[in-house]
Amino acid sequence: GAVVSQHPSWVICKSGTSVKIECRSLDFQATTMFWYRQFPKQSLMLMATSNEGSKATYEQGVEKDKFLINHASLTLSTLTVTSAHPEDSSFYICSAEMGANQPQHFGDGTRLSIL
Amino acid sequence: GQQLNQSPQSMFIQEGEDVSMNCTSSSIFNTWLWYKQEPGEGPVLLIALYKAGELTSNGRLTAQFGITRKDSFLNISASIPSDVGIYFCAGRLYGNKLVFGAGTILRVKS
Repeated sequence: GAVVSQHPSWVICKSGTSVKIECRSLDFQATTMFWYRQFPKQSLMLMATSNEGSKATYEQGVEKDKFLINHASLTLSTLTVTSAHPEDSSFYICSAEMGANQPQHFGDGTRLSIL
Repeated sequence: GQQLNQSPQSMFIQEGEDVSMNCTSSSIFNTWLWYKQEPGEGPVLLIALYKAGELTSNGRLTAQFGITRKDSFLNISASIPSDVGIYFCAGRLYGNKLVFGAGTILRVKS
């Protein structure tokens, strides 16, 4: 089945550090990738939609200069949390889909802890 | 905007019992998806539904796409301890982003 790999799975770093998270579709080409944030005991909150070779579309309230998204190929998207602060600590999850109206397949998430 | 109402919020059942959860919306969808998430992991796709009235099974799981296109249910038969987790419904109108329910927390007592 469709496999999405997310790396790293866990990051602990100091305040002010920038952190890059990678999302790869391993056995399919993803026309679109998505980045979500999830708080404890809550549902997934969409941050941005990323299409290969074009600028990401950010949801309302998500700072594009804070959360930089690059979708360099049909199998790789990256999320960089710039100058991270404790309030950015969260569980970040990516997903990918093969085509419009196809199911999204999710990575295993990245637990980000900013000290 | 579009919202999904998922119920129940949580369930604590005896092993072997059947489970039922559902999602309703004020808007119509072209696709309904059901995911399961375990602690510290990403959601895993369980069942995808594409047609109003469609009834689909995946092992002990059965899900249906409501005929009005505004609701869906997921049933789990003969629950086992490894069924524990959070179950999310998600709906999508063609070409748009997914809208997620708040999740149903399932606990199974063995």
